[in-house]
Amino acid sequence: DIQMTQSPSSLSASVGDRITITCRASQTITTYLNWYQQTPGKAPKLLISAASSLQSGVPSRFSGSGSGTDFTLTISSLQPEDFATYYCQQSYSSPWTFGQGTKVEIK
Amino acid sequence: QITLKESGPTLVKPTQTLTLTCTFSGFSLTTSGVGVGWIRQPPGKALEWLALIYWDDDKRYSPSLKSRLTITKDTSKNQVVLTMTNMDPVDTATYYCTRNYGLGSLDPWGQGTLVTVSS
Repeated sequence: DIQMTQSPSSLSASVGDRITITCRASQTITTYLNWYQQTPGKAPKLLISAASSLQSGVPSRFSGSGSGTDFTLTISSLQPEDFATYYCQQSYSSPWTFGQGTKVEIK
Repeated sequence: QITLKESGPTLVKPTQTLTLTCTFSGFSLTTSGVGVGWIRQPPGKALEWLALIYWDDDKRYSPSLKSRLTITKDTSKNQVVLTMTNMDPVDTATYYCTRNYGLGSLDPWGQGTLVTVSS
């Protein structure tokens, strides 16, 4: 299985801050990397597919980059509704695997 | 609009078999490239991918759970069924179904169903 490691596991930030979450794969996954946002009590929501493709309706302050084994999710200006847990997921080879999540909290 | 909804028991006893049904609308599981998958999330923990069935009946399973899982589809009913045998308290989790499309993106997700394993 391909292992996905996110860092940090949690972070505290203020509204308006720029934050970056990192996801590292245990082997190359080219750009088969997706990002999800999950708020408490809700199902995950797809934000970014194929490492950098923003889903329709997702605010442009979200962006993704990377290829191979190292990827980042950036929120350029954190908004109150962005406080959530973020997961990366690889779809390069079965079984699909997720990172352990990054919880973004209000400072 | 694409929707998925999970249904099944909320409480099962240890050693029992869990059967969950995902009923979906807005897409067809006969369309090339499309799949429906299951993911679970224990309370307070991360997401764990379980299984996936494709339009052509290709099936994929989590290696660690493969011996306990079976995924099937009924395209006439727009349903996908997941069975998990020999349930244990550690299997207590919210179980989600989701459409798998494109390059393995999971979107959208059902609302999830919490399954508790307890005697």
